[in-house]
Amino acid sequence: DAGVTQSPTHLIKTRGQQVTLRCSPKSGHDTVSWYQQALGQGPQFIFQYYEEEERQRGNFPDRFSGHQFPNYSSELNVNALLLGDSALYLCASSRLSAGELFFGEGSRLTVL
Amino acid sequence: AQSVAQPEDQVNVAEGNPLTVKCTYSVSGNPYLFWYVQYPNRGLQFLLKYITGDNLVKGSYGFEAEFNKSQTSFHLKKPSALVSDSALYFCAVRAPGYSSASKIIFGSGTRLSIRP
Repeated sequence: DAGVTQSPTHLIKTRGQQVTLRCSPKSGHDTVSWYQQALGQGPQFIFQYYEEEERQRGNFPDRFSGHQFPNYSSELNVNALLLGDSALYLCASSRLSAGELFFGEGSRLTVL
Repeated sequence: AQSVAQPEDQVNVAEGNPLTVKCTYSVSGNPYLFWYVQYPNRGLQFLLKYITGDNLVKGSYGFEAEFNKSQTSFHLKKPSALVSDSALYFCAVRAPGYSSASKIIFGSGTRLSIRP
């Protein structure tokens, strides 16, 4: 049983560019949440998707957007990249009715 | 709004000694509480959770946590620390219920260092 998978694992972008990160949830899970983790800090909640809709959103600008597909996989898009967007982006899946999140290994984004 | 605090940035313990990593929370209603561990350059791994029932919850790798409603705390414990327990630990809280308002909020993390 595959867990949560994320791609790419590492990427480098320059300021102003756009990036798309991808996530496949654990089998049987219907909810995907995205987190941003800056170096040495705790994960910060970006948003959560369920039934292909954004259900909850954290304190992130509109430059951060997402999508969930019918197969429950998800994408995180960040436009107009800033140096401060450099971080580890974590995808986590769960069942809406359950408790804990299962995390992928993350996508490390470096913005130069 | 829900929040969680981890008052210690770092905890240092000798191998074989008991360890405690502290966590306090704020949420309306009865919380769902979690502990996760993160090794360098890796995602977060689930250790244990409290939803309801016994205040002492047992989890992976010999860890346990004690829920204290009056003190709004959920401290992580282990009777005998191992060097391999050295990692970054995160406490997290979720508001109760099955509604769409089910985001999980994480603390800032506590680095646990176990010396041989």
